[in-house]
This record gives sequence, structure tokens and C-alpha cells, in this order.
Amino acid sequence: EVQLLESGGDLLQPGGSLRLSCAASGFSFSTNDMSWFRQAPGKGLEWVSSISASGDKTFHADSVKGRFSISRDNSKNTLLLQMNSLRAEDTALYYCTRGTSHPGDWGQGTLVNVSS
Amino acid sequence: DVVMTQSPLSLSVTLGQPASISCRSSQSLVYSDGNTYLSWFQQRPGRSPRRLIYKVSNRDSRVPDRFSGSGSGTDFTLKISRVEAEDVGVYYCMQGIQWPRTFGQGTKLEIK
Repeated sequence: EVQLLESGGDLLQPGGSLRLSCAASGFSFSTNDMSWFRQAPGKGLEWVSSISASGDKTFHADSVKGRFSISRDNSKNTLLLQMNSLRAEDTALYYCTRGTSHPGDWGQGTLVNVSS
Repeated sequence: DVVMTQSPLSLSVTLGQPASISCRSSQSLVYSDGNTYLSWFQQRPGRSPRRLIYKVSNRDSRVPDRFSGSGSGTDFTLKISRVEAEDVGVYYCMQGIQWPRTFGQGTKLEIK
């Protein structure tokens, strides 16, 4: 069974940094592209970042480009999202997913709350 | 960016009756490999999104066969043949052909 377990969410002030992790199991992590999506409170779904299976290609939404960085550790089956210069509008539930074109598996999400 | 437009944005359906959601994209979703990367997701209240349909009409395992997807090019539809109580939630379409990936606004389904 595929499992994606996000962690690292927190309450922090604007300008702060945070690193999200996603522990993957139940599938071949190193052969799957992975993504982060987010959902602000009461809002719709928004794509954030994606990374190729080997990690050599990364993609980021314009809203996070230059502030967020997606990476992965295939030896530990872990997906990461480094978030810097956080803003109030980054407040959301962040989901880790398997796949990028039509993500088939989603984690339960980790909450990032940016507030002064 | 590819703009995804869903309609209606809310739907109130009697149990056992059909429901239909439309999704239109601002550009063709046919990729160079011949596949069309349009998928549908269901998000029940308080739950993570769940993929129902991928590549227009391929239903995920464990998704009831009352759900079906159809369409081509820029015009797509999700149909529920007979709505059940567990279908309450928000439904999203998503394009996977171009960066950034984009979603429709969501359609909220409730029981009348």
C-alpha cells in the first residue's frame, strides 16, 4: 500500500524558513516523479513544485520561485521542500503526491501557518 | 498558463439522480505522446484529494463505476450516474500537460 507521510509544518512569522518532509513507502520511490501541492484554508488546490525521479529536473510555481526548493533523497525514500522567506499567503495545508501529470497518491498534508 | 474553467461551481443533487460537471481548458490538453492529461479529483470534507479519473476516462481502482470521465481536446466532463451520500464534496479537474499544473475552481456537490 502506498503511504505518503508529510511532516514539518508549523506556525511561524513572515520571513521565516521551514523544511517539509514526505516519507514515502509502498512503491518504488526512486522511479517516480513527485510533487508538492497546497491548499489555503477554504480555497482550492494549487500546484507548488515537482521533481523528476532522479532529481535532475525541478519545477516551481511562479508564486514560490526563488523562495522554495524541492529536492529528494532516494536512499531514504524522502521528498523535501525547503521554504524560505515565507509570507502570509503561503499559509496552507501542504500535500506530497506521487506523480506530476496526474498525481495518483496524496498524503494527509502538513499545515504551514505564517502569521505575525 | 492553462486556465481550467469548471461549471457549475455548485451542484445540489437528489440521491440516486445523475450529476455532471464540465471542465474546459484554455488550450488543448493533448500531449506530444498522444495522451490527454486531464484528471479529476474528489475531495470529501476534511479529507485529502483523491484521484478518480486520469487521462480523461481512466477510472482509478476502487473508484465506483458510477463515476465516468469523457471529452477531448479542451472540453471534458465528469459524470456520476447515480449520486450517493458519500459523493458529497468538492470535485476538481486538473491539467498535466504544461507547467504550471493548474486546477479548475472546484465544484461543490451536495445532496438535495
